[in-house]
Amino acid sequence: DTAVSQTPKYLVTQMGNDKSIKCEQNLGHDTMYWYKQDSKKFLKIMFSYNNKELIINETVPNRFSPKSPDKAHLNLHINSLELGDSAVYFCASSRLSSTSTSESYEQYFGPGTRLTVT
Amino acid sequence: GQNIDQPTEMTATEGAIVQINCTYQTSGFNGLFWYQQHAGEAPTFLSYNVLDGLEEKGRFSSFLSRSKGYSYLLLKELQMKDSASYLCAVHSGNTGKLIFGQGTTLQVKP
Repeated sequence: DTAVSQTPKYLVTQMGNDKSIKCEQNLGHDTMYWYKQDSKKFLKIMFSYNNKELIINETVPNRFSPKSPDKAHLNLHINSLELGDSAVYFCASSRLSSTSTSESYEQYFGPGTRLTVT
Repeated sequence: GQNIDQPTEMTATEGAIVQINCTYQTSGFNGLFWYQQHAGEAPTFLSYNVLDGLEEKGRFSSFLSRSKGYSYLLLKELQMKDSASYLCAVHSGNTGKLIFGQGTTLQVKP
């Protein structure tokens, strides 16, 4: 009955490799997000998809490519991994609405994927 | 530009009250969230303010002043389990985009 799930939880890989992280939500939300949390705990938005359409694309190297096969899934593929990519990556989901209530925008976060690049 | 400031660390005593401040300057504002994050875990929702004033939820309350670009999270009757990071986040625009502050690490001591 997990709301937002991510796999894998831990990922250790070498520089130059390509890796993917998967995210799934069973909350019926229409919007999903990828965040990066660095060693200083700063949480920063990377991408967001609404109904499979990319709506947020922050200044992220094009080695990072999100893909949303359907509303319940958002994957993140990273090419040519670098040392600076080491971080915790969180997936989140929410329901977008025109009404300004917490229900509209509250984001539910997955457990995170700790990526270590050596 | 986008800027959200919170103190980096705070310490308080079990049973006491602590206030964590957050100031923001963002290009858009559609509301302010507070999240709690325990070490090694995901952020979890605590509170949301879109109008000025105080929102109370059990031991936790959150205040917002839009004219001052200021919010605070008030934690009462502190418990050891409240030791965590508290993240202030501004909802900017209509895409659900949250801009997070650096987080405040709260340590509750016996």
